[in-house]
Formats: sequence, structure tokens, C-alpha cells
Amino acid sequence: DAKTTQPTSMDCAEGRAANLPCNHSTISGNEYVYWYRQIHSQGPQYIIHGLKNNETNEMASLIITEDRKSSTLILPHATLRDTAVYYCIVKGRAAGNKLTFGGGTRVLVKP
Amino acid sequence: DTEVTQTPKHLVMGMTNKKSLKCEQHMGHRAMYWYKQKAKKPPELMFVYSYEKLSINESVPSRFSPECPNSSLLNLHLHALQPEDSALYLCDSSQGRVEGHEQYFGPGTRLTVT
Repeated sequence: DAKTTQPTSMDCAEGRAANLPCNHSTISGNEYVYWYRQIHSQGPQYIIHGLKNNETNEMASLIITEDRKSSTLILPHATLRDTAVYYCIVKGRAAGNKLTFGGGTRVLVKP
Repeated sequence: DTEVTQTPKHLVMGMTNKKSLKCEQHMGHRAMYWYKQKAKKPPELMFVYSYEKLSINESVPSRFSPECPNSSLLNLHLHALQPEDSALYLCDSSQGRVEGHEQYFGPGTRLTVT
């Protein structure tokens, strides 16, 4: 699976959009980009995933660059409850069911 | 129902004890997983069951023994654990060996080995 690089931490103001970057320069054509988050002492929570096109759901938007070497997760209106560690994971068929977590970005939403 | 349940929520056990962790899902998922998470670290995969058969064992010590009695249930049997095995144990499920599907995690069991 392609490795990902994320900033270690970032702060965000409540009510503002939070833009979380992820680099995955070695991604291959059949690998998906997944985002999960983990609020303190809870299990990871699925947010969104995509292959090539930008995706949006009720939680967030995922913007994937045309060359697919990077992506950005957008939380449109961050709340205090969005404070969590956000993991960007790239996974394809070759990995089977294996989900490999990197270090993630620790996001702190401030009032 | 998109819930994965895990019991117990907390477990304290001695190094000579035998205990089991339980995970259950009723989403019809055919793949179930165990992860271990130490404090301030990302989750690390331990085992994967696919269609009730063990498909991945990430070189986990034999003191951890997984079991998948049916497609909805996953157990992790613990025996002769060490204090360094203290961690959050997470269960996870997904539709199966198909990419492009999300995985659902349970809340975890926080294990302390004394």
C-alpha cells in the first residue's frame, strides 16, 4: 500500500472550515484514499473515501488532486466535537482487508 | 444498524488469568478484525477473519488466540499476558474482500494486565 504523509497536528477555529492535507505520492491506480478519525478513547470512525473524483457526504468533503498524489479532507464548519486524530489511509485490492494506520493529524478545534 | 459492539469495556487481569474479549456485528459483514492500540499510537492490525476463516495473523504471540464462531461474532482469548499487553483492543468489520468499502470499528476494550 502507498504510504501517506500528514502534518502531526493543526489547530482550527470553531465554525471555520478545517482543511486537512495528505500526501500519497506513491499511490497506484487502483488504490482508494480513506479518511478515518478517532476521538479520544473511542474507536476510529469512518469519514469518507474516494478513488479519483471528489466526494462529499454529510460529514466532510474529499478533494483528490488530478494526479492523485495528494488529497485534502475538508470539514466545512468545524465544531469542538471534531477535535480528534484524523488518519489518511491508502488501500487497494492488494492489501485485501488490511487497513494500515499512519501517525495521523491531531486536530484541535478551539472556541 | 451500523454498530459494532465490544464487551467488556474495561478489563483488568493478572498475568496468570484467562479471559476473553467479545465483538459482535449484525451488518452482514463477512470480514472482522482485531487491532491493538497503545497510548498515543495508531491502531495496529493483529488478525483478520474473512468469511469466518483466519486470513491474516500479523505475527501475534500465541498468548492471543482469536476465534470466529460465526459471521457475526469474533472473540479474542487471552492467556498468560504480560503487562506490556495493556492496551485498547479494537474490533472492526467490513463487507469483505472488496475495496472501496468502509470499515466499522467498535468502541474498544481497555485492557490492563497487572
